[in-house]
Amino acid sequence: EAQVTQNPRYLITVTGKKLTVTCSQNMNHEYMSWYRQDPGLGLRQIYYSMNVEVTDKGDVPEGYKVSRKEKRNFPLILESPSPNQTSLYFCASTRSGTGELFFGEGSRLTVL
Amino acid sequence: ELKVEQNPLFLSMQEGKNYTIYCNYSTTSDRLYWYRQDPGKSLESLFVLLSNGAVKQEGRLMASLDTKARLSTLHITAAVHDLSATYFCAVDHSYIIQGAQKLVFGQGTRLTINP
Repeated sequence: EAQVTQNPRYLITVTGKKLTVTCSQNMNHEYMSWYRQDPGLGLRQIYYSMNVEVTDKGDVPEGYKVSRKEKRNFPLILESPSPNQTSLYFCASTRSGTGELFFGEGSRLTVL
Repeated sequence: ELKVEQNPLFLSMQEGKNYTIYCNYSTTSDRLYWYRQDPGKSLESLFVLLSNGAVKQEGRLMASLDTKARLSTLHITAAVHDLSATYFCAVDHSYIIQGAQKLVFGQGTRLTINP
Protein backbone atom coordinates (compact mmCIF):
# COMPACT_ATOMS: atom_id res chain seq x y z
CA GLU A 1 0.00 0.00 0.00
CA ALA A 2 1.30 3.42 -0.97
CA GLN A 3 1.79 5.50 2.12
CA VAL A 4 3.66 8.22 3.96
CA THR A 5 4.46 7.29 7.56
CA GLN A 6 5.25 9.80 10.29
CA ASN A 7 6.39 9.22 13.85
CA PRO A 8 5.60 10.11 16.51
CA ARG A 9 1.94 10.89 15.97
CA TYR A 10 1.68 12.74 19.26
CA LEU A 11 4.40 14.34 21.34
CA ILE A 12 4.54 16.62 24.33
CA THR A 13 7.93 18.08 25.07
CA VAL A 14 9.54 20.99 26.88
CA THR A 15 11.26 24.07 25.57
CA GLY A 16 14.78 23.42 24.36
CA LYS A 17 14.68 19.65 24.21
CA LYS A 18 15.75 18.54 20.75
CA LEU A 19 13.37 16.31 18.89
CA THR A 20 13.05 14.64 15.50
CA VAL A 21 9.90 13.75 13.62
CA THR A 22 10.55 10.98 11.13
CA CYS A 23 8.89 10.65 7.75
CA SER A 24 9.14 7.78 5.30
CA GLN A 25 7.42 7.15 1.96
CA ASN A 26 7.25 3.96 -0.11
CA MET A 27 6.26 5.47 -3.46
CA ASN A 28 9.77 6.24 -4.71
CA HIS A 29 8.89 9.93 -4.98
CA GLU A 30 11.77 12.32 -5.42
CA TYR A 31 10.03 15.32 -3.94
CA MET A 32 9.08 15.53 -0.27
CA SER A 33 8.04 18.37 1.98
CA TRP A 34 6.98 19.35 5.48
CA TYR A 35 4.00 21.51 6.40
CA ARG A 36 2.60 22.83 9.60
CA GLN A 37 -1.09 23.42 10.13
CA ASP A 38 -2.36 26.03 12.53
CA PRO A 39 -5.96 27.18 13.10
CA GLY A 40 -6.89 30.01 10.77
CA LEU A 41 -3.60 29.83 8.88
CA GLY A 42 -4.12 26.75 6.76
CA LEU A 43 -1.03 24.75 5.81
CA ARG A 44 2.34 26.41 5.45
CA GLN A 45 5.41 24.83 3.94
CA ILE A 46 8.41 24.51 6.25
CA TYR A 47 11.02 22.79 4.07
CA TYR A 48 11.09 20.78 0.91
CA SER A 49 13.47 18.38 -0.78
CA MET A 50 13.75 17.79 -4.50
CA ASN A 51 15.94 14.71 -4.11
CA VAL A 52 18.62 13.11 -1.96
CA GLU A 53 20.90 15.75 -0.44
CA VAL A 54 18.86 18.58 -2.01
CA THR A 55 16.73 20.60 0.40
CA ASP A 56 15.50 24.17 0.59
CA LYS A 57 13.47 26.46 2.79
CA GLY A 58 9.76 26.88 2.47
CA ASP A 59 7.72 29.74 3.88
CA VAL A 60 8.28 29.17 7.61
CA PRO A 61 11.68 27.48 8.07
CA GLU A 62 12.83 29.28 11.23
CA GLY A 63 13.58 26.89 14.07
CA TYR A 64 13.59 23.78 11.90
CA LYS A 65 16.15 21.64 10.12
CA VAL A 66 15.80 18.79 7.68
CA SER A 67 18.00 16.20 6.04
CA ARG A 68 17.56 13.90 3.08
CA LYS A 69 20.16 11.17 3.13
CA GLU A 70 17.92 8.55 1.56
CA LYS A 71 15.17 8.94 -0.98
CA ARG A 72 12.48 7.44 1.20
CA ASN A 73 13.21 9.38 4.42
CA PHE A 74 12.85 13.07 5.21
CA PRO A 75 13.10 13.79 8.96
CA LEU A 76 12.17 17.14 10.51
CA ILE A 77 14.44 18.28 13.32
CA LEU A 78 13.62 20.84 15.99
CA GLU A 79 16.97 21.64 17.60
CA SER A 80 15.55 23.79 20.39
CA PRO A 81 11.76 23.69 20.34
CA SER A 82 9.78 26.68 21.55
CA PRO A 83 6.08 27.01 22.42
CA ASN A 84 5.34 28.76 19.10
CA GLN A 85 6.24 25.49 17.38
CA THR A 86 3.25 23.80 18.96
CA SER A 87 1.36 22.70 15.88
CA LEU A 88 0.15 19.85 13.71
CA TYR A 89 2.87 18.75 11.30
CA PHE A 90 2.41 16.94 8.02
CA CYS A 91 4.98 15.28 5.84
CA ALA A 92 4.10 14.89 2.17
CA SER A 93 5.57 13.29 -0.91
CA THR A 94 4.75 14.43 -4.42
CA ARG A 95 3.86 12.47 -7.50
CA SER A 96 6.00 13.60 -10.40
CA GLY A 97 4.14 14.99 -13.37
CA THR A 98 0.88 15.90 -11.66
CA GLY A 99 2.36 17.48 -8.54
CA GLU A 100 -0.26 15.75 -6.41
CA LEU A 101 0.68 15.54 -2.72
CA PHE A 102 0.32 12.47 -0.56
CA PHE A 103 0.25 13.31 3.12
CA GLY A 104 1.29 11.41 6.19
CA GLU A 105 -1.14 11.05 9.07
CA GLY A 106 0.24 14.04 10.91
CA SER A 107 2.23 14.61 14.09
CA ARG A 108 0.70 16.72 16.81
CA LEU A 109 3.44 18.44 18.76
CA THR A 110 3.01 20.38 21.97
CA VAL A 111 5.94 22.36 23.37
CA LEU A 112 5.55 23.46 26.99
CA GLU B 1 3.27 36.82 -3.42
CA LEU B 2 0.70 34.18 -4.22
CA LYS B 3 -2.46 34.46 -2.16
CA VAL B 4 -5.18 31.84 -2.14
CA GLU B 5 -8.57 32.67 -0.70
CA GLN B 6 -11.45 30.32 -0.13
CA ASN B 7 -15.03 31.37 0.25
CA PRO B 8 -16.88 30.68 2.44
CA LEU B 9 -14.71 29.60 5.35
CA PHE B 10 -17.64 28.01 7.15
CA LEU B 11 -20.66 26.44 5.54
CA SER B 12 -23.56 24.71 7.19
CA MET B 13 -26.08 23.17 4.89
CA GLN B 14 -28.85 20.62 4.80
CA GLU B 15 -28.73 17.25 3.19
CA GLY B 16 -30.02 17.25 -0.33
CA LYS B 17 -29.01 20.82 -1.11
CA ASN B 18 -26.45 22.03 -3.64
CA TYR B 19 -23.66 24.44 -2.90
CA THR B 20 -20.36 25.75 -4.24
CA ILE B 21 -17.06 26.53 -2.58
CA TYR B 22 -14.88 29.10 -4.31
CA CYS B 23 -11.12 29.29 -4.49
CA ASN B 24 -9.57 32.50 -5.81
CA TYR B 25 -5.87 33.01 -6.31
CA SER B 26 -3.77 36.05 -7.08
CA THR B 27 -1.02 34.86 -9.44
CA THR B 28 -1.13 32.98 -12.72
CA SER B 29 -1.17 29.22 -12.32
CA ASP B 30 -2.35 26.26 -14.36
CA ARG B 31 -2.33 23.77 -11.52
CA LEU B 32 -4.78 23.52 -8.68
CA TYR B 33 -5.61 20.79 -6.21
CA TRP B 34 -8.47 20.06 -3.87
CA TYR B 35 -8.02 18.14 -0.64
CA ARG B 36 -10.37 16.91 2.02
CA GLN B 37 -9.57 16.73 5.72
CA ASP B 38 -11.72 15.00 8.33
CA PRO B 39 -11.37 16.15 11.95
CA GLY B 40 -8.12 14.89 13.46
CA LYS B 41 -7.12 13.23 10.21
CA SER B 42 -4.73 13.78 7.36
CA LEU B 43 -5.44 15.41 4.02
CA GLU B 44 -6.80 13.29 1.22
CA SER B 45 -6.41 14.24 -2.42
CA LEU B 46 -9.73 14.82 -4.19
CA PHE B 47 -8.98 16.48 -7.50
CA VAL B 48 -6.00 17.46 -9.61
CA LEU B 49 -6.75 20.22 -12.12
CA LEU B 50 -3.92 20.79 -14.56
CA SER B 51 -5.24 23.13 -17.23
CA ASN B 52 -7.70 25.88 -17.98
CA GLY B 53 -11.19 24.52 -18.29
CA ALA B 54 -10.38 21.29 -16.48
CA VAL B 55 -13.40 19.67 -14.88
CA LYS B 56 -13.29 16.61 -12.65
CA GLN B 57 -16.15 14.80 -10.98
CA GLU B 58 -16.28 12.18 -8.28
CA GLY B 59 -19.63 11.20 -6.89
CA ARG B 60 -21.43 14.30 -5.60
CA LEU B 61 -18.37 16.52 -5.96
CA MET B 62 -17.29 18.36 -9.08
CA ALA B 63 -14.29 20.66 -9.39
CA SER B 64 -13.44 23.07 -12.17
CA LEU B 65 -10.64 25.47 -13.00
CA ASP B 66 -10.75 28.80 -14.83
CA THR B 67 -7.18 30.02 -15.06
CA LYS B 68 -8.14 33.26 -16.77
CA ALA B 69 -10.38 34.22 -13.86
CA ARG B 70 -7.92 32.62 -11.37
CA LEU B 71 -10.83 30.75 -9.91
CA SER B 72 -11.65 27.18 -9.04
CA THR B 73 -14.97 25.91 -7.77
CA LEU B 74 -15.91 22.80 -5.83
CA HIS B 75 -19.57 22.04 -6.37
CA ILE B 76 -21.53 19.78 -4.08
CA THR B 77 -24.65 18.19 -5.47
CA ALA B 78 -27.39 16.80 -3.22
CA ALA B 79 -25.19 16.91 -0.15
CA VAL B 80 -25.05 13.98 2.26
CA HIS B 81 -23.77 13.92 5.83
CA ASP B 82 -20.65 11.93 4.86
CA LEU B 83 -19.36 14.94 2.95
CA SER B 84 -18.94 16.92 6.17
CA ALA B 85 -15.24 17.83 6.34
CA THR B 86 -12.83 20.68 5.75
CA TYR B 87 -11.95 21.27 2.11
CA PHE B 88 -8.73 22.92 1.00
CA CYS B 89 -7.67 24.19 -2.36
CA ALA B 90 -3.98 24.52 -3.13
CA VAL B 91 -2.38 26.39 -6.00
CA ASP B 92 0.98 25.57 -7.52
CA HIS B 93 2.79 28.39 -9.25
CA SER B 94 6.14 26.76 -9.90
CA TYR B 95 6.01 23.34 -11.40
CA ILE B 96 7.92 20.47 -9.96
CA ILE B 97 9.71 19.79 -13.24
CA GLN B 98 11.41 23.12 -12.76
CA GLY B 99 12.62 22.05 -9.36
CA ALA B 100 10.79 23.92 -6.68
CA GLN B 101 7.15 23.14 -6.19
CA LYS B 102 5.53 26.12 -4.54
CA LEU B 103 2.17 24.99 -3.26
CA VAL B 104 0.09 27.54 -1.39
CA PHE B 105 -3.04 26.43 0.45
CA GLY B 106 -6.25 28.27 1.04
CA GLN B 107 -7.53 28.65 4.60
CA GLY B 108 -9.94 25.78 4.20
CA THR B 109 -13.73 25.62 4.16
CA ARG B 110 -15.33 23.79 7.04
CA LEU B 111 -18.43 22.13 5.66
CA THR B 112 -21.12 20.78 7.97
CA ILE B 113 -24.04 18.91 6.45
CA ASN B 114 -27.03 18.50 8.69
CA PRO B 115 -29.64 15.76 8.31
